[in-house]
Parts: sequence; C-alpha cells; structure tokens
Amino acid sequence: GAVVSQHPSRVICKSGTSVKIECRSLDFQATTMFWYRQFPKQSLMLMATSNEGSKATYEQGVEKDKFLINHASLTLSTLTVTSAHPEDSSFYICSARPSSGGGTSPLHFGNGTRLTVT
Amino acid sequence: QKEVEQNSGPLSVPEGAIASLNCTYSDRGSQSFFWYRQYSGKSPELIMFIYSNGDKEDGRFTAQLNKASQYVSLLIRDSQPSDSATYLCAVRERARGSARQLTFGSGTQLTVLP
Repeated sequence: GAVVSQHPSRVICKSGTSVKIECRSLDFQATTMFWYRQFPKQSLMLMATSNEGSKATYEQGVEKDKFLINHASLTLSTLTVTSAHPEDSSFYICSARPSSGGGTSPLHFGNGTRLTVT
Repeated sequence: QKEVEQNSGPLSVPEGAIASLNCTYSDRGSQSFFWYRQYSGKSPELIMFIYSNGDKEDGRFTAQLNKASQYVSLLIRDSQPSDSATYLCAVRERARGSARQLTFGSGTQLTVLP
C-alpha cells in the first residue's frame, strides 16, 4: 500500500529556533500533500495544502511566513516552523494522495512529528 | 454548523459486541467518505472508504453510506480491546480539482472493555 514517511518523529527545540519537518511519499508520486496540526484531545486541523512546483495554499489563520512549505518534487514536501514558540508545540502530520488516483483516492498519513518548544 | 459531525463519545462497548459509530455531513454533493482510526499519540490510519450508497464490508468492519440522509457509519463486529481508539470520519466534498482536501469530524473515542 501507499506509504508516507515523515521525519523526524519527535523534536524538542528552544524558543526562537526553526524546525524543518520532511514528508516523503515512498512508493507513489504526490502532486499535492497536506499538512495538519493536532492539539491534544482535538481533531486534525488542516494548515496548508502543498502543491508541487507552486506556492502552498494556507488555511485561514495560518501564518505563511511562520510555517514555510516547500514542495520541490513529486515525492517530498517540507514544513519549516520558523522562530518557534511554546504555543507551536503540537503534533504535526502530513498526508498525501497518489496523483494517479483521482479525486476519490484516500489520503495516507505520515507517522507525525511531535514538536515541543521549550 | 460543522461540516462533518460525530458524537465525541466516549463510547464504551464490551468485548465481542458490535460498536456503531456515526457521522453526518452537511455538503450534499460530497462524494467520498473515509474512516480513520487514531491511537493516542499516533497519526490516523485508514480503515475503510466508501463512495456508493449501501454497505461495504471488510473483515470485521462495515461502512454504511446513505447520501439521501447525509450520514455515514462504521460498524465494528466482535469488538476487541485493541479496537479502542479515536475514530475519525472524513468527507471529501464535490470535486473542485485534484487538490480537494478532506474535512474531518472531531472523532469518536471508542473503548472496548475486556
């Protein structure tokens, strides 16, 4: 089945530093990838849609200058949390859908990245 | 009104019983429906997807879709303690291009009691 690899799985950083999270589709190409954030006891919140070769589309309330997204190839998207603060501590999850699957194919999720900002 | 609604639970069932999870959605034009299971501290994993009215069975899981009533449900037969997790309903609205994302419900927490 479709596999999405996300790295790192856990990161602790100091306030003010930047953290990069990678999301790779291992056995399929993904024109589009999605980045979600999940706070404890809450559901997934879509942050942005990452589009290969073009700018990401951000959801309302998500700062594009703080959460930098790069989708340089059909198998890799990165999310960089810049100048991280404790309130950015959360569970970040990427997902992707095979480009060949059409609009009805399911999303496959990475294993998530637990970010803790001290 | 939320686009995708689920009863947050918690829902408790005894081991071996049938667990019934329900989800309603607001966009009548929605086309694709998914059930994900999420264990605490883990990312969601796909259990089933359904596109057409009726039932779809996969092992102990049955997804039911009724587009006229705008609800989708998940039945888990012979529930096991390992089924204890949060179950997320996700809906993809009518196609507006290949990048249409899923809308998730808030999830139902299921506990299967040994």
